[in-house]
Amino acid sequence: EVQLLESGGGLVQPGGSLRLSCAVSGLRLGHSAMCWVRQAPGKGLEWISGISTTGATTQYADSVKGRFSISRDNSQNTLYLQMHSLRVEDTAVYYCARSRLITTAIRGWGHGTRVTVSS
Amino acid sequence: AIQLTQSPPSLSASVRDSVTITCRASHGINSALAWYQQKPGESPRLLIFDASTLEGGVPSRFSGSGSGTHFTLTISSLQPEDFATYYCQQFSVSPLTFGGGTKVEI
Repeated sequence: EVQLLESGGGLVQPGGSLRLSCAVSGLRLGHSAMCWVRQAPGKGLEWISGISTTGATTQYADSVKGRFSISRDNSQNTLYLQMHSLRVEDTAVYYCARSRLITTAIRGWGHGTRVTVSS
Repeated sequence: AIQLTQSPPSLSASVRDSVTITCRASHGINSALAWYQQKPGESPRLLIFDASTLEGGVPSRFSGSGSGTHFTLTISSLQPEDFATYYCQQFSVSPLTFGGGTKVEI
């Protein structure tokens, strides 16, 4: 069974940084494109970043471009999201998710990790 | 970015009703659309991809149609476990985008 397990969430002050991790088990990470999707409290889903199978291609939503960085370590079966200059509006549950390519449907989701940006 | 507009934002229905949710894209996306179901406190679940292809394990009462800019998700004969929020998502062009969601309530 494929499992995605996010970690690294927590409370951070505005302007701060945080790094999220997603440990993947049950499949070889190098066979899947990956992405991060977030959901603010009581709101809908927002795709924020995707990365190709090898990591050669990365893409970002405008809302996080220049502040967030997605990366992966296929040898460790782990996906990362480095977040800088965090804002109150970045408060959300962050889901790690997998797909065949960046531009295909999302087939598997983690359970999410909560990030709260507040002073 | 391509915008997706879902309607209605919410609807009330009864068990065994048939309901249809609409998703309109601001630009043509061919058939690069997926539908997801999300229940409170849970992660989303893929129901349909490529506008009309049912994901494995999804009951056949779920169906999708459309192409270009107009898409629909139909749930025939609603079951108690179908009361949830449904999202469309386009994966034609990055950034991928989601619709605002449709909450299906009893």
